[in-house]
Amino acid sequence: ETGVTQTPRHLVMGMTNKKSLKCEQHLGHNAMYWYKQSAKKPLELMFVYNFKEQTENNSVPSRFSPECPNSSHLFLHLHTLQPEDSALYLCASKAEGGGRFNEQFFGPGTRLTVL
Amino acid sequence: AQKITQTQPGMFVQEKEAVTLDCTYDTSDQSYGLFWYKQPSSGEMIFLIYQGSYDEQNATEGRYSLNFQKARKSANLVISASQLGDSAMYFCAMREAQAGTALIFGKGTTLSVSS
Repeated sequence: ETGVTQTPRHLVMGMTNKKSLKCEQHLGHNAMYWYKQSAKKPLELMFVYNFKEQTENNSVPSRFSPECPNSSHLFLHLHTLQPEDSALYLCASKAEGGGRFNEQFFGPGTRLTVL
Repeated sequence: AQKITQTQPGMFVQEKEAVTLDCTYDTSDQSYGLFWYKQPSSGEMIFLIYQGSYDEQNATEGRYSLNFQKARKSANLVISASQLGDSAMYFCAMREAQAGTALIFGKGTTLSVSS
């Protein structure tokens, strides 16, 4: 089992749909992150969770709603999205104070297209 | 102002040659860390190398080395003996101690290795 998994890998949705992205990590980490990667833009931090508590919300519109039920799972609930929300959504995790370099481990991402 | 600047949108190199990917950063924090990640077409971000702001030696990890010039605020990635599998996007990122655990990414450089 790879360290950080994300499902689905690809998602196409209409602007009125409600969908959820799922991230799961099997590394025993206690910090999890959502990033958005749009074309020709740097990765943008969206949310940070530490020990299941949200510690950062980087001015993300309310149509994105994160949920972290436990340290291993992170969801991103989507509703009434706009076409400009089409992007690659990356999940990452990190061990607090852990890892050789305290690095983040990323999942493969969900490629989201909003029609 | 951009915190992480990668000025090379694309780089081309032949197999077995060395290549340098540029990265400059901007921070007023004394304690920070610099990371390089590789993103193949599959989407997953793969951690390559880390340099701490207090590290006196340049970081090395196998064929990767980081040319850290603190006064110039640059952290260039050097890949020696390029391989076809090195073709990917490369991202420079920074974590500032005062700004929490999230990473700030540059726009990335696309590296193409030819035979």
